Amino acid sequence: GEDVEQSLFLSVREGDSSVINCTYTDSSSTYLYWYKQEPGAGLQLLTYIFSNMDMKQDQRLTVLLNKKDKHLSLRIADTQTGDSAIYFCAESSPTSGTYKYIFGTGTRLKVLA
Amino acid sequence: ETGVTQTPRHLVMGMTNKKSLKCEQHLGHNAMYWYKQSAKKPLELMFVYNFKEQTENNSVPSRFSPECPNSSHLFLHLHTLQPEDSALYLCASSQAETGFAEAFFGQGTRLTVV
Repeated sequence: GEDVEQSLFLSVREGDSSVINCTYTDSSSTYLYWYKQEPGAGLQLLTYIFSNMDMKQDQRLTVLLNKKDKHLSLRIADTQTGDSAIYFCAESSPTSGTYKYIFGTGTRLKVLA
Repeated sequence: ETGVTQTPRHLVMGMTNKKSLKCEQHLGHNAMYWYKQSAKKPLELMFVYNFKEQTENNSVPSRFSPECPNSSHLFLHLHTLQPEDSALYLCASSQAETGFAEAFFGQGTRLTVV
């Protein structure tokens, strides 16, 4: 079945880069996603990558995809205190005319001033 | 405002109570989802509905009973729950027909079973 794994915690200093890693199992996933959850809120899409890409850059965010190893990472450059949140990796797979999203545990990022 | 509204935001219930969680989306999406979020565990997919039809039941105990009367509304009926069912229950919707679609989440209902 589908499975997505992430480490639970990451702590970085303000201004440093953060790298959040994820491994997934479903090699047929067409898209892979990063979602962000701030305290007291639901998840919001941060960025995504199509499975035939190796890298995607979006301002301070860089997504790297190693399809062979089924490894996805999210790099946040110049991390700010406002980046403190839980970051979820997700893959999607088809289910009866629509898609379902399989998420990991989330990585809690703490940014130290 | 994410377009997905969940009520109530907080719920405390006894193990013999019956209660319902409500989710509403005004985004015109065809698919709706229930997820359970517990500390240190993966976000757990419970149910998927597509155009009101259930397409996925992820081996969820029968004390959780979903209902989707139309594409805009989704309920989760709860009865005889256990303390380990205490968690944040998140509803989401998407228009996922072509492989990529953003899932929009509500703020969740924090459920405590006493």
